[in-house]
Amino acid sequence: ETGVTQSPTHLIKTRGQQVTLRCSSQSGHNTVSWYQQALGQGPQFIFQYYREEENGRGNFPPRFSGLQFPNYSSELNVNALELDDSALYLCASTPRGTDTQYFGPGTRLTVL
Amino acid sequence: QQQVKQSPQSLIVQKGGISIINCAYENTAFDYFPWYQQFPGKGPALLIAIRPDVSEKKEGRFTISFNKSAKQFSLHIMDSQPGDSATYFCAAGDDTDKLIFGTGTRLQVFP
Repeated sequence: ETGVTQSPTHLIKTRGQQVTLRCSSQSGHNTVSWYQQALGQGPQFIFQYYREEENGRGNFPPRFSGLQFPNYSSELNVNALELDDSALYLCASTPRGTDTQYFGPGTRLTVL
Repeated sequence: QQQVKQSPQSLIVQKGGISIINCAYENTAFDYFPWYQQFPGKGPALLIAIRPDVSEKKEGRFTISFNKSAKQFSLHIMDSQPGDSATYFCAAGDDTDKLIFGTGTRLQVFP
């Protein structure tokens, strides 16, 4: 077990709605990264947070936003959902002083 | 330049055989190369990782071979077992700490 938990496990939304996905990591994991994994594809980097500040962003529009909290939890928010947003959303946390990213089990988002 | 190309897309191996998955990259700024294993419905789990200062790293039945000049690296699974059946992803990272993943290899090990 990685000690990274995500909620909810599954979620169904309709186009245009907004969604918030949550991630909780272990104490001392002060970097969190979010990835989108479409079916049959590798994870795609969305953004990363370090000490509650955004620390890098992939090729995703501004309607994807995030937050990181002092208690090592974080959120991914997606506004104006589109059908193509249907995917597995993964968060990964990195222990201080290492490069290793430990992934959570993911949240499966379906947009109808 | 940010891509990581992975092959084969799928692989079928008999129990006890060697599974080999290959990856190639272009960006010479990459300095961290992990391999992840993913079972259906689960998140990726780190198997083994390597940095460019070594050409090979072995952990149990898993070995990474790294060729810096060719910008290629590969995962070898010795004595493959049915429990190894999963999707394997190579990835590459630089000092920004974001990972670029390959497209994955679905491995099936038959008894």
